Amino acid sequence: AQSVTQPDIHITVSEGASLELRCNYSYGATPYLFWYVQSPGQGLQLLLKYFSGDTLVQGIKGFEAEFKRSQSSFNLRKPSVHWSDAAEYFCAVGLNYGGATNKLIFGTGTLLAVQP
Amino acid sequence: EAGVVQSPRYKIIEKKQPVAFWCNPISGHNTLYWYLQNLGQGPELLIRYENEEAVDDSQLPKDRFSAERLKGVDSTLKIQPAELGDSAVYLCASSRTPPGLASDTQYFGPGTRLTVL
Repeated sequence: AQSVTQPDIHITVSEGASLELRCNYSYGATPYLFWYVQSPGQGLQLLLKYFSGDTLVQGIKGFEAEFKRSQSSFNLRKPSVHWSDAAEYFCAVGLNYGGATNKLIFGTGTLLAVQP
Repeated sequence: EAGVVQSPRYKIIEKKQPVAFWCNPISGHNTLYWYLQNLGQGPELLIRYENEEAVDDSQLPKDRFSAERLKGVDSTLKIQPAELGDSAVYLCASSRTPPGLASDTQYFGPGTRLTVL
């Protein structure tokens, strides 16, 4: 069955430090991969997505993610974290039904805290 | 461009009462999704509409949950009767799915936080 694992439930980093959030997926076909961010009381905002092509994708707010097929991973990175990045981050895989990616399977999320 | 609109943002009801949530997708988005997000979990799909048709409702608990999208635009999700375990955030999302092509990115609304007492 398809699944997404985010091993880190909670991460704390200092402002200005680098960040890497881990995401592993289980899916038999070529996945569509997404990272969303959710601030308290808000809906999910798309940070970036991977459909095909270059395995290093750039997103909004200075985030990037790298797709590694051999490791079934799609880790999210940011070189320097800002206090406003404190939020919950969700990795998701889009199931590819004949070219359509209409079903998203989400991980359980990683809650990021940023220390001043 | 306006985003996905949901109302109400918060709802508190007693168990066994009915409740309804409303969603208006982004203009031009023909695909609409309802997700359930329990505390500390990622969203889980309840139902997906393409225009007026519910094309995936396999995860919708049909004994108490119902949804409709009569004109292919806005949608309503209903629970009747509500149970304590229904306390969660109900998220609506929309996307554009051109005929025969991959669906575009899903855009989410702010959600409705339901508390059942």
